[in-house]
Amino acid sequence: NAGVTQTPKFQVLKTGQSMTLQCAQDMNHEYMSWYRQDPGMGLRLIHYSVGAGITDQGEVPNGYNVSRSTTEDFPLRLLSAAPSQTSVYFCASRTGLAGGENEQFFGPGTRLTVL
Amino acid sequence: GQSLEQPSEVTAVEGAIVQINCTYQTSGFYGLSWYQQHDGGAPTFLSYNALDGLEETGRFSSFLSRSDSYGYLLLQELQMKDSASYFCAVRDTGGFKTIFGAGTRLFVKA
Repeated sequence: NAGVTQTPKFQVLKTGQSMTLQCAQDMNHEYMSWYRQDPGMGLRLIHYSVGAGITDQGEVPNGYNVSRSTTEDFPLRLLSAAPSQTSVYFCASRTGLAGGENEQFFGPGTRLTVL
Repeated sequence: GQSLEQPSEVTAVEGAIVQINCTYQTSGFYGLSWYQQHDGGAPTFLSYNALDGLEETGRFSSFLSRSDSYGYLLLQELQMKDSASYFCAVRDTGGFKTIFGAGTRLFVKA
């Protein structure tokens, strides 16, 4: 199993550009999520999905869109990049939904710089 | 809403024991988790406590007191490779969102 994969690893954008960060998992996990990590601020939840066709907002959803057309894929779209979106983005997945703590598996991250 | 507090930095000597504390405020509670992250890497799951008490996994242990809204991660026989950031995390009331603390940077010195 490849686990959780993310592409690209690094990306530089200009203000106003749009792009999609890709995330895929091959563990048949129902739950997938996107986090951003900024220095000294831990991981903040952007959006999450509890299954194909179902997404919801996290703590910091503004400026980002997601979709979940398949169990495997959960892309994150930046509609109009801003310097405030410079961050490291992690995708994660886990089995199970509510109740208990199922281990979250994280992808390697995408390091995004917006100029 | 949820909020978690943990120290920003801890320094310890190789071979020693270190405790990283986490206090939380939640409107619902599904247990406390711990994750480790090395510089430039992704977070990896360490432990989970749903009930009060101590859970042990090798050199790492995690403790929870629900009445005090408090938990800690205990690292024994510290090694240089334990230098990393450690995050506590809780699930929100609905159980779908995992909220992380800001992290504790652990420096292990020789």
